[in-house]
This record gives sequence, C-alpha cells and structure tokens, in this order.
Amino acid sequence: RKEVEQDPGPFNVPEGATVAFNCTYSNSASQSFFWYRQDCRKEPKLLMSVYSSGNEDGRFTAQLNRASQYISLLIRDSKLSDSATYLCVVNRYPWAGSYQLTFGKGTKLSVIP
Amino acid sequence: ETGVTQTPRHLVMGMTNKKSLKCEQHLGHNAMYWYKQSAKKPLELMFVYSLEERVENNSVPSRFSPECPNSSHLFLHLHTLQPEDSALYLCASSPELGSGKNIQYFGAGTRLSVL
Repeated sequence: RKEVEQDPGPFNVPEGATVAFNCTYSNSASQSFFWYRQDCRKEPKLLMSVYSSGNEDGRFTAQLNRASQYISLLIRDSKLSDSATYLCVVNRYPWAGSYQLTFGKGTKLSVIP
Repeated sequence: ETGVTQTPRHLVMGMTNKKSLKCEQHLGHNAMYWYKQSAKKPLELMFVYSLEERVENNSVPSRFSPECPNSSHLFLHLHTLQPEDSALYLCASSPELGSGKNIQYFGAGTRLSVL
C-alpha cells in the first residue's frame, strides 16, 4: 500500500460546484497533515493544515479521521482560480523522522466556466 | 514570492556536463531540502539539511552531490547525469526540524533536461 494515496482525477467541475478530495495514508505514526496546492509548472504552496477537530478556511474545509487514516478537502463554490493539483501531505512522528513529509501524487482539479 | 529563490529556472545539460543548482532562502529558516518531481510521480525527498548539517540522504545516487555552506544557501551539484534524471528539482525550507507543524516553503524549482 502506498504511503499516501489520492484519486488522481482529473475532476472537471463547473464554477460554483462543491468538490471533495479524499486521501488515505498508511503510516499510523503520522502526526500532522496538510493540503498543498500546485499550479501547472509551479511550486507547491501550503493551502491549509489539517487539524484533528477539522478546520475551515473560507470556502475550504479539511477533515481528519485518524481511526480510518483518512483526510479530506472540501471546496465550496468553486472558482476558476481553484484549478490546480491538490497534494495531500503527511508528516511522521519525530522518532520516525518528523521532517519527512510524504506527498501524494495529487488530484487535479479543473473548474470550467 | 515565497522567500525561497532557485536558479537557474531551466537547465539543459549533456550527460558528461557538470552543473550546479542554487537555492537561497530569505526566511531565517534552519532546515532546507531538495526534492525531485518527475512526471506522474509524487515529490521525492532527496536531501535534508539542518543548520548546515546533512541529516538525511534518501538513497540518492552519488551523481547528485548536495552542499550547504550556511543555513540560507543550498546547492545541488550534478555530474554525469542520465536522461531519467530529467525532472523538476525543488528546494524547500522550514523553520526547524522536529516540529510537528514543519510547514515547508518551496522555491519555484529548476526544470532540468538531460540530453
């Protein structure tokens, strides 16, 4: 089983739609979780951290289920500018190398006018 | 602008050439990283430096040689590369190692083509 697995997509959605991305991770020693966004031919940029209680930042909501080792990202009211690849990223506990971020392959989103 | 600058942005080299990639961070971070991103693959961590000391080498071939002269500069020296080494090479920095948050900030990358 891959360390971090994501549906590669692409997800093609109309403007204004709600879209959800899922991610599973295999290492139960994982400590912290992030969603990064990568635009075409650009570098990854942090979108948001994912907290155990779930967290929201404007139109974006992230959820974590430690028991199922599952992370999600919900985007409401999609904008054209949301078109990008969304990377699920997992960080291990310190004794497993806490600087070791493990990236998923990413889920590509295209928001269509 | 993330505060992490990589040069050059594009590089084409032959298999017998020697070249170097440069990364500079203006964020006051203590940790720096090299990643490789190939098409259809997730980012692969290559090297990790903390306060100029290498703390991780992820089974990277010796034709890639990192150098960290100080906490704000990181180099990747390349020699006798193979065509399969063609990829986007990304540098990142973070405030420190051993932190649960460990948010990493990436440079724009060097797109390398090996002919």
